[in-house]
Amino acid sequence: NAGVTQTPKFRILKIGQSMTLQCAQDMNHNYMYWYRQDPGMGLKLIYYSVGAGITDKGEVPNGYNVSRSTTEDFPLRLELAAPSQTSVYFCASSVSGRDSYEQYFGPGTRLTVT
Amino acid sequence: GEDVEQSLFLSVREGDSSVINCTYTDSSSTYLYWYKQEPGAGLQLLTYIFSNMDMKQDQRLTVLLNKKDKHLSLRIADTQTGDSAIYFCAENRDDKIIFGKGTRLHILP
Repeated sequence: NAGVTQTPKFRILKIGQSMTLQCAQDMNHNYMYWYRQDPGMGLKLIYYSVGAGITDKGEVPNGYNVSRSTTEDFPLRLELAAPSQTSVYFCASSVSGRDSYEQYFGPGTRLTVT
Repeated sequence: GEDVEQSLFLSVREGDSSVINCTYTDSSSTYLYWYKQEPGAGLQLLTYIFSNMDMKQDQRLTVLLNKKDKHLSLRIADTQTGDSAIYFCAENRDDKIIFGKGTRLHILP
């Protein structure tokens, strides 16, 4: 199993540009999550999904959109990039939510908006 | 409060024990976790404890849980340079896992 994969690893965007961060998992996990990690800070949940076709907002959803058309993929879309979105983005997946004992994390995407 | 709280920094001499503390918020959390993040990498699960346990030991790691005070600690015995990382405390809440800000463990020679 490849686990959780993310692309790209690094990206620099200009203000106002848009992009999609890709996330895929091959463990047949129902739950998938997007977090952002700002320097010296913990993780903030952006969006999550409990299964294909179902998404929900986390703590910091503004400026982002997600979709979950398949179990495997959970892309994160930035429509109008802003400097405040400069961060490291982590995708994660788990078998279930409340009773899951582990989230598996991808390697992260480092995004800079200038 | 709503946050999982932990101190931001800890310095320990190589060979000593490290103790990282955390307070969580949801008394109904089923699992409490410790994740480790090495520089430039994602988070990896280090250990976890069921909420009906007081203690869990796994080689050099000891997790203590005080449900009354909602206090969780991670003890690393014989701390090594490879233990230098950020350690995140987390609790499961509804369908989500809520993370603390992380404690950066610095190893002194």
